[in-house]
Amino acid sequence: SQTIHQWPATLVQPVGSPLSLECTVEGTSNPNLYWYRQAAGRGLQLLFYSVGIGQISSEVPQNLSASRPQDRQFILSSKKLLLSDSGFYLCAWSVRDRNSPLHFGNGTRLTVT
Amino acid sequence: EDQVTQSPEALRLQEGESSSLNCSYTVSGLRGLFWYRQDPGKGPEFLFTLYSAGEEKEKERLKATLTKKESFLHITAPKPEDSATYLCAVHNNNDMRFGAGTRLTVKP
Repeated sequence: SQTIHQWPATLVQPVGSPLSLECTVEGTSNPNLYWYRQAAGRGLQLLFYSVGIGQISSEVPQNLSASRPQDRQFILSSKKLLLSDSGFYLCAWSVRDRNSPLHFGNGTRLTVT
Repeated sequence: EDQVTQSPEALRLQEGESSSLNCSYTVSGLRGLFWYRQDPGKGPEFLFTLYSAGEEKEKERLKATLTKKESFLHITAPKPEDSATYLCAVHNNNDMRFGAGTRLTVKP
């Protein structure tokens, strides 16, 4: 069966520090991969998605970037964190069928101080 | 602009008190409507996919239905363990758009 791992679960970082959140998927090949951010009381906001190694699409301009160095690995990064980057970050995968559901990891709670 | 609106924002039920959650949407080219359950501090867990008006899906005490403009998640005789936030999402030709969710609390 497929599993998705996301770490760390919680992170507290000072303003201006770098960020690296990692997500890996097991049990499937060639998945679509996604990074979402969830703000309290609001819907999930798509940040990045990837349909293959090295292929990244950005949905919103921001202080973040994403990379996909391997088929089942997705990384969310920042060179210098802002206070506004605080939030709950979720990684998800889906099969290549555009009508298929997303399967989420358990998220990373990021607090920028 | 494509939109997904969920109501109510919060719902408190007594154990055994059935009710429904609503997800209304305006999208161009609906390719699927999805329901998720999210527990505090966790990622959303996939429940159902509905593809066409009139379709229904069931899982234990939950039943999801779909019309051309909205979807309902019916909860029959809920238990405290059904307490969670329920998210609705629609997949159009471009992306998946999520509603803000309904926070359900079931009291014993």
